Amino acid sequence: EPEVTQTPSHQVTQMGQEVILRCVPISNHLYFYWYRQILGQKVEFLVSFYNNEISEKSEIFDDQFSVERPDGSNFTLKIRSTKLEDSAMYFCASRGVRGGSNQPQHFGDGTRLSIL
Amino acid sequence: GDSVTQMEGPVTLSEEAFLTINCTYTATGYPSLFWYVQYPGEGLQLLLKATKADDKGSNKGFEATYRKETTSFHLEKGSVQVSDSAVYFCALVRPNAGGTSYGKLTFGQGTILTVHP
Repeated sequence: EPEVTQTPSHQVTQMGQEVILRCVPISNHLYFYWYRQILGQKVEFLVSFYNNEISEKSEIFDDQFSVERPDGSNFTLKIRSTKLEDSAMYFCASRGVRGGSNQPQHFGDGTRLSIL
Repeated sequence: GDSVTQMEGPVTLSEEAFLTINCTYTATGYPSLFWYVQYPGEGLQLLLKATKADDKGSNKGFEATYRKETTSFHLEKGSVQVSDSAVYFCALVRPNAGGTSYGKLTFGQGTILTVHP
């Protein structure tokens, strides 16, 4: 069964540094998402991406965050200048077109981001 | 805004016990409801879903019924196994105000289930 893959599985970065988290969604999916889960807290929506643009974003997704689909297969999340509070597990998800939002999103295993 | 509330955890059961994890939601319109499961070291996997009132989702012995009158989607299993030990997330999706849904998921806080032999 096709999977969403995320790299790296664990990223350790100094505060203030830029970080890029990478995701390869399922190949025929057209909707892409990033979520994050701070340790012990809820999984929170960050951003959705469709047709090469952001379709929705949360309050968390401020100017420090950006997403890109650089080459038709990868989907990246960039944090420009990391803060301690960005430490979390980041999940990428994708969804096909058929069936609309009722169709489930397929999640990767996550990238654990640790800011020092 | 939308919200999902799950019962407080963690939940610890013996093998073959009956499981209920409560989930209630607040949302305008008619959301679709999901249960996701996260096994240790893995990502979120869809367990089951229901898209309209009175629908019952089921998978791997788990069931949940979409109750619009009580805005609930409680997860049940008649006889749990050690392999069911995981974190369980209730979630919803609803169309946005314009009617075009991009599928943003709103999650509950997760319930840790531990099953002992």
